[in-house]
Amino acid sequence: SQKIEQNSEALNIQEGKTATLTCNYTNYSPAYLQWYRQDPGRGPVFLLLIRENEKEKRKERLKVTFDTTLKQSLFHITASQPADSATYLCHTGGFKTIFGAGTRLFVKA
Amino acid sequence: NAGVTQTPKFQVLKTGQSMTLQCAQDMNHNSMYWYRQDPGMGLRLIYYSASEGTTDKGEVPNGYNVSRLNKREFSLRLESAAPSQTSVYFCASSRIIPGQGTDTQYFGPGTRLTVL
Repeated sequence: SQKIEQNSEALNIQEGKTATLTCNYTNYSPAYLQWYRQDPGRGPVFLLLIRENEKEKRKERLKVTFDTTLKQSLFHITASQPADSATYLCHTGGFKTIFGAGTRLFVKA
Repeated sequence: NAGVTQTPKFQVLKTGQSMTLQCAQDMNHNSMYWYRQDPGMGLRLIYYSASEGTTDKGEVPNGYNVSRLNKREFSLRLESAAPSQTSVYFCASSRIIPGQGTDTQYFGPGTRLTVL
C-alpha cells in the first residue's frame, strides 16, 4: 500500500542552525508533495508544494527538494528560530490523500 | 473570511451515544475531507467529498457516516460511539488549481472527542 514515512523522532536544534526534515514515500509516484506546519491544538497549515519535475522550491527561509530516484523529499528551515518549533507534515495531493505522521521540531534559543 | 469552521470544539460521549460533527467552509471549495489524528499515527482520512453530492470512503471509514449537505457544509456522524473513536477530528477543504492540477488543503481548528 502507499506509504509516507517521516522521522518519528523529534529533532532538536540550536537557534540559527538549519533544520532538515525527511519524507520518504513507497509504492507511490506522487505528481507533487506538500509540506504543512502544525502547532499544538491547531489544524495543519500549508507551507510549500513541489512538483515531481521540480528539483527545489524556496520560500523565504524554507526550502523543499524532491528526488524521485530516492523517493524522498527534504524540507529545510535555514536560520531557524524558536518560533519555528512545531510539527511538520509531509502530504500527497489528490482525493485519497496521505499524510506522514510528522516530525516534531524543537528550536532552542 | 472565516475559512473552515468546526463545531463543537470539545465533546465527551458515553459508549453507544451518537453525535454529529459539523464543518463549514466559506472559500467556495469543491472538495471537503474528514480526518482523525491520533498520537503517533498522523492524520488519517475518514471520508472525503470530491464535489457537492458525492462522498467516498477514505482509509478508516468504519463507524462513521458523512453528509455533504451543500457546497459549504460537510458533517461527520458517529452512530454508536466507541472508545476507539476517541481522537481529534479535523475537517479540511480544497480546490483544484486550474491549469496546475494541484490542490492545497485548508484545515479547521479540530474537535477533541472523548468516548468513555
